[in-house]
Amino acid sequence: NAGVMQNPRHLVRRRGQEARLRCSPMKGHSHVYWYRQLPEEGLKFMVYLQKENIIDESGMPKERFSAEFPKEGPSILRIQQVVRGDSAAYFCASAEAGTGYQPQHFGDGTRLSIL
Amino acid sequence: DAKTTQPTSMDCAEGRAANLPCNHSTISGNEYVYWYRQIHSQGPQYIIHGLKNNETNEMASLIITEDRKSSTLILPHATLRDTAVYYCIVRSNTGNQFYFGTGTSLTVIP
Repeated sequence: NAGVMQNPRHLVRRRGQEARLRCSPMKGHSHVYWYRQLPEEGLKFMVYLQKENIIDESGMPKERFSAEFPKEGPSILRIQQVVRGDSAAYFCASAEAGTGYQPQHFGDGTRLSIL
Repeated sequence: DAKTTQPTSMDCAEGRAANLPCNHSTISGNEYVYWYRQIHSQGPQYIIHGLKNNETNEMASLIITEDRKSSTLILPHATLRDTAVYYCIVRSNTGNQFYFGTGTSLTVIP
């Protein structure tokens, strides 16, 4: 999974706090995707972004969750007022622009634990 | 929704070829077949993808049947490090996400 960098690898928050997860895509990749994986489950798509644009947020919870991919800097997944159910592994993937068949390459995720 | 069917689990002896099957009987003409694997506590790792021709890279081979309704991922000489959950995914170029179902849990046995 070299290339897509996520930090922090582990994040602990108390209920009601905010969590910020960062993702730097592979060099040359302009498409970023966020997925969430609950324990013992498969990855679930959350949001797809290109530079400064949200393309598809069909998998994002309606409240408390937001994502951005600014012109400069990493993509950020932000969770406000975290609750115990937000505990999960959050994975970021990136892909290069092209025909749309390019594979997504994943980082090693941020494991979020809510106390 | 899941468009693929995979066995829940498989074992393979170390050094032997691991053949992982996948059924995708409703695949559309513009959908590719992708394979990923996830080793415990890591992110999914891209392995290979193809449309209708067989594909090979440094990691694996992908055999797609002529009617494209099924495929097989082949790891030619399995090692202990190949123990992982393997996901077969079909996706078109208009789909934004990869749907990760339950995959096949492959255990390579010494």
